[in-house]
Amino acid sequence: ELKVEQNPLFLSMQEGKNYTIYCNYSTTSDRLYWYRQDPGKSLESLFVLLSNGAVKQEGRLMASLDTKARLSTLHITAAVHDLSATYFCAGFNSGGGADGLTFGKGTHLIIQP
Amino acid sequence: NAGVTQTPKFRVLKTGQSMTLLCAQDMNHEYMYWYRQDPGMGLRLIHYSVGEGTTAKGEVPDGYNVSRLKKQNFLLGLESAAPSQTSVYFCASRTTGGSEKLFFGSGTQLSVL
Repeated sequence: ELKVEQNPLFLSMQEGKNYTIYCNYSTTSDRLYWYRQDPGKSLESLFVLLSNGAVKQEGRLMASLDTKARLSTLHITAAVHDLSATYFCAGFNSGGGADGLTFGKGTHLIIQP
Repeated sequence: NAGVTQTPKFRVLKTGQSMTLLCAQDMNHEYMYWYRQDPGMGLRLIHYSVGEGTTAKGEVPDGYNVSRLKKQNFLLGLESAAPSQTSVYFCASRTTGGSEKLFFGSGTQLSVL
């Protein structure tokens, strides 16, 4: 059974700073996803990471995947207030059991001026 | 493009009442999912479907039933609502053949009093 753990679960940071959110998963998952959720809204897909060493970047966000370490990271560069949101990582259940994604509990990110 | 549409967006029930949540997608996806989101818990899979006429249990299926009579629709039913089912419910459908990307609906806020 795939388990996904994110840390930290809550992060308050200042604009202009850099920080990293970590996502560890327990068993083989050949796809790792990052989503963003604004309060009261649905989930917006940010990145899909499909292979070991995959790195994807969009604006101030960069995601990477290390399948050997079972670790994905979401790095925020020079944070701005608009990036305040809850970020979820999720692994795809490719090793049997229920189809679909298993989500971490989310990282609530607040970026202060 | 409508994508994934959920109805209703909000609902208040009394304990013991029943209701059905409707999810419709216009992307011709085979796979569809129902998740619930509770504070601090991330998203948890309730039921899913791998195609028309099929359904399967996810992580937290108790108290819910589902049906997939048409490919584009996935219904989630609560036969006898309980306060523990107060949650935000998200429907999703996904692509196949590579990234297995999930597309989410806008969510249904359900309160059971």
